[in-house]
Parts: sequence; C-alpha cells; structure tokens
Amino acid sequence: QQPVQSPQAVILREGEDAVINCSSSKALYSVHWYRQKHGEAPVFLMILLKGGEQKGHEKISASFNEKKQQSSLYLTASQLSYSGTYFCGTLPMEYGNKLVFGAGTILRVKS
Amino acid sequence: GAVVSQHPSWVICKSGTSVKIECRSLDFQATTMFWYRQFPKQSLMLMATSNEGSKATYEQGVEKDKFLINHASLTLSTLTVTSAHPEDSSFYICSARAGQTYEQYFGPGTRLTVT
Repeated sequence: QQPVQSPQAVILREGEDAVINCSSSKALYSVHWYRQKHGEAPVFLMILLKGGEQKGHEKISASFNEKKQQSSLYLTASQLSYSGTYFCGTLPMEYGNKLVFGAGTILRVKS
Repeated sequence: GAVVSQHPSWVICKSGTSVKIECRSLDFQATTMFWYRQFPKQSLMLMATSNEGSKATYEQGVEKDKFLINHASLTLSTLTVTSAHPEDSSFYICSARAGQTYEQYFGPGTRLTVT
C-alpha cells in the first residue's frame, strides 16, 4: 500500500525551511528518501531504519517514528538546487519486502 | 557511492519492434534489481523484481510476456519490451539493491518513445 506524502507541493524562497512528511499504514523496516529532478532518475538521499533514528547530511535531515510509521524530511535554509520532486519509499517488515513509493512532493525554491 | 548505469538513455522505435534496455551495477554486486516505469508527473511504479539466476517476479497487471526480464549476472539485468506499442512509451528506470540495509540506487533511466 502506497505511503501518503504531504504536502503535495511547496514553494519556498531561498533560505526558508521545509518539512515533507511520509506516513504508512504498515509496520516498516526502513524509510528511504529520494530527490528527482525533471527528466532524471531519483537520487538517493538517505535511509532510516526502524529504531526511531534521525539522520542528517548538511542541511537535509530526516527522522523516523517507528511507533507511528511516519517519517519527516527536513530541508533547512533551502537552496535553488533543492528544487525537485521528493519521494519517500517505505520498506515493509513483511517477507519479500519491496520499496513502495509515495506520490511525491514537488518542491520549488525561488530566488 | 553505488553507481548504476542504464543503456540506452533514450530510444525511439517503431510500433511492433522490440527494444532491449540494459541495467548495470558498476561498483557493486546486486543480487536484486528492480524495474520501474514512470509516467509524467507520477510516482514510480514497480514493474518487476529481478533476482540473479532466477525468474523475475512481476507485479500485478504487468505482462511478463511483453516485458521480458533477464538477470544474467550479479551486475547486469535487461528489460526487453517486445512488440512495442505507443502506449508503452514511458520512462523506464532500473534500480539495484545494495548493502545489508536494502539501499536502492537508481540508474539514469531510459526514455522510450514508440511511434
């Protein structure tokens, strides 16, 4: 079952912050975040494993609430290069698990 | 980081012909590769899971006789679109699973246009 992402789209000015949420109805082993620019393949950002961890890389970080099966991606002091569509991929705990992607969140950063 | 290549990056073919797309993991071995299809402004739709040395597992609604998948080695999987029709025109992306934590890395994608 597809995870639910919110918001569907967000427009920011450079330097502003944004949060993208991802929610699943299934027990998850991990949550994966990707960014895709128009006409290109998705680029891996980070993976969060069950255990409620939080990760970050420079100004992009994410958290995973295992109890709620929710993950959030935090973009701090956004840059023009952050523009794109962000997808969360959820990996269920069940056998034969495969990544299931959300519908995506379109992020546009304006100067 | 893990690198996945895909070839060709774009292809235009005539209706009724077949097209083969290659997906390679360049710096790691991938026992599992995945094939996705993506329509404009939509999410990634998993078509099939490809395991090295065994038959691919297709998602519901995907015709296995039309989309032939072969995973001949730990670094190569191929997708052949047989008897292509205009409705098969799409962006096809492969990914390879790496590591113990099931990280997936995507190839650059292949844009298929069937005329």
